[in-house]
Amino acid sequence: DAGVIQSPRHEVTEMGQEVTLRCKPISGHNSLFWYRQTMMRGLELLIYFNNNVPIDDSGMPEDRFSAKMPNASFSTLKIQPSEPRDSAVYFCASSGSGGVSGELFFGEGSRLTVL
Amino acid sequence: GESVGLHLPTLSVQEGDNSIINCAYSNSASDYFIWYKQESGKGPQFIIDIRSNMDKRQGQRVTVLLNKTVKHLSLQIAATQPGDSAVYFCAENRGTGANSKLTFGKGITLSVRP
Repeated sequence: DAGVIQSPRHEVTEMGQEVTLRCKPISGHNSLFWYRQTMMRGLELLIYFNNNVPIDDSGMPEDRFSAKMPNASFSTLKIQPSEPRDSAVYFCASSGSGGVSGELFFGEGSRLTVL
Repeated sequence: GESVGLHLPTLSVQEGDNSIINCAYSNSASDYFIWYKQESGKGPQFIIDIRSNMDKRQGQRVTVLLNKTVKHLSLQIAATQPGDSAVYFCAENRGTGANSKLTFGKGITLSVRP
């Protein structure tokens, strides 16, 4: 079975450019999560969706960040404009338990470097 | 403030020995706890979970202990193997259903000496 699929795996961009990260959750899972991982702050929940609806976006750093889930099999996390402090590994995870009281399945992450 | 944190940033153990990784949490309302393992270049992977109505749960070579009195969680790995080398995260969940939220600790690196 395919796990959570993220793209791109690596992205290097210049400050001010738009970045779009993509995620395909595990088929049948109804919850999707975007996390950011840095050495300083660890794993931070940015936003999560349940049945394609954003439930909690309180972790989104600022208006430069936006996330969408147009259907059950696809989500994007967009940063516009990007800044060097956005450099991190961004993980997408999905769950089939209708919330986080259950196992999260993580993708392999998208490593973003903003110069 | 509310937080989930780990006592030690790194742990080095001899292959074959048992490992104990500790975690402290501060929110007594948390009702569900999970341990994740993250290998280099990969996403976190579920190891074992425990609900707040339990104090111990065993898996294959792993045991999670929960002490709600002192808000302490530990992961025990029996007969540690080189493949156990990774960063380990504890996570706590608060809330229920769609309103629940998982918060991760900073992580601890387990290094297994051959």
